[in-house]
Amino acid sequence: QKEVEQNSGPLSVPEGAIASLNCTYSDRGSQSFFWYRQYSGKSPELIMFIYSNGDKEDGRFTAQLNKASQYVSLLIRDSQPSDSATYLCAVNIVDGNQFYFGTGTSLTVIP
Amino acid sequence: EAQVTQNPRYLITVTGKKLTVTCSQNMNHEYMSWYRQDPGLGLRQIYYSMNVEVTDKGDVPEGYKVSRKEKRNFPLILESPSPNQTSLYFCASSSLAGVGETQYFGPGTRLLVL
Repeated sequence: QKEVEQNSGPLSVPEGAIASLNCTYSDRGSQSFFWYRQYSGKSPELIMFIYSNGDKEDGRFTAQLNKASQYVSLLIRDSQPSDSATYLCAVNIVDGNQFYFGTGTSLTVIP
Repeated sequence: EAQVTQNPRYLITVTGKKLTVTCSQNMNHEYMSWYRQDPGLGLRQIYYSMNVEVTDKGDVPEGYKVSRKEKRNFPLILESPSPNQTSLYFCASSSLAGVGETQYFGPGTRLLVL
């Protein structure tokens, strides 16, 4: 069983809509959770991290964590064409030293 | 400018010919890590280092070696590359590995082993 699972997509949303990206993880000892954005041919860049149950908002982005369900999501409000990228979910496991990434969800925002 | 650099950015080599990919960061970060990225498999951690002279295996360490003799450098060594090591490699660093600490990624090294 993979540590981190994401729907690979592709996910397409119209400009201005809300994009919802989901991620599940298997290790109940996972401590912190990250969302990275990766443009084609580029390196990942951090969008947000979350480590407490509930919601965390940063501009147009909201991360949601539910540890009981082992589920983390990212909502992108007012989606823009520039948001078109692959979004990677990552978790930091119990000892804090190792990271596991999902395979990523490809998002396309249609103008 | 704070950054993680990798060299070379592109490399074509043949099976069995030893190679080293360098990684350097200028942010005085303790934690450094190597990942490989393959289609359908995502980013997988190869090795990581908590500080100078401290290295540990990640999820896929077979066929790789690393060293951390200086805080800023963390080279990835392939003693005898094989075609299944053809991949996109990323080095990353952060001040710590714990909660909330973001990893800064290098630009990537695309390796082709023939």
